[in-house]
Amino acid sequence: EIVLTQSPGTLSLSPGERATLSCRASQSVSSSYLAWYQQKPRQAPRLLIYGASSRATGIPDRFSGSGSGTDFTLTISRLEPEDFAVYYCQQYGSSPWTFGQGTKVEIK
Amino acid sequence: QVQLQESGPGLVKPSQTLSLTCTVSGDSISSGGYYWSWIRQHPGTGLEWIGHIYYSGSTYYNPSLKGRVTMSVDTSKKQFSLKLSSVTAADTAIYYCAKSSTYSSNLWDYWGQGILVTVSS
Repeated sequence: EIVLTQSPGTLSLSPGERATLSCRASQSVSSSYLAWYQQKPRQAPRLLIYGASSRATGIPDRFSGSGSGTDFTLTISRLEPEDFAVYYCQQYGSSPWTFGQGTKVEIK
Repeated sequence: QVQLQESGPGLVKPSQTLSLTCTVSGDSISSGGYYWSWIRQHPGTGLEWIGHIYYSGSTYYNPSLKGRVTMSVDTSKKQFSLKLSSVTAADTAIYYCAKSSTYSSNLWDYWGQGILVTVSS
């Protein structure tokens, strides 16, 4: 099973700042089958990025993903108030599909 | 607009079987091309994929659940179900049902609101 480790655990930033979230895999993620989700309190996760760098339908272009192999990054170029949430990475290249433990982006 | 809604008991005793149902509206399970999954989230922590089912009844489960999982589908009722046997406190979680994405059968872009299931005597 591929273990995904996200860092940092919590990111304290102000609106308008840039957020950089990391996801590291215990082994190479095949074909860059790496996704990112956003979760707000008392809501289900929302798919943001798939294939490491492709935005899902309706996702603003301030969200971008990059990386390959074992190291992936989610960048939010300028934080909007609605972006403060928990972000999870997920790999879907090797069964069982697994998630990271999450990074909380909180208002500083 | 696709909507999913979980239902079932919110409290299950240890060693018993957890049973949940997901009702789908705004879509047809039997139209094919998509997989219908169960995913859980332990309190305050990350997410775990439990398994998925196709409209034909074909299933695929997370091996970590060691044979305790059974999923079924009833296309006429637009429902699919989860049974998890021999539960312990470690199975306490929010359980989500979800529809696979157009991007991959192993991503999800429609989710239910989730149902908290507590395992306790």
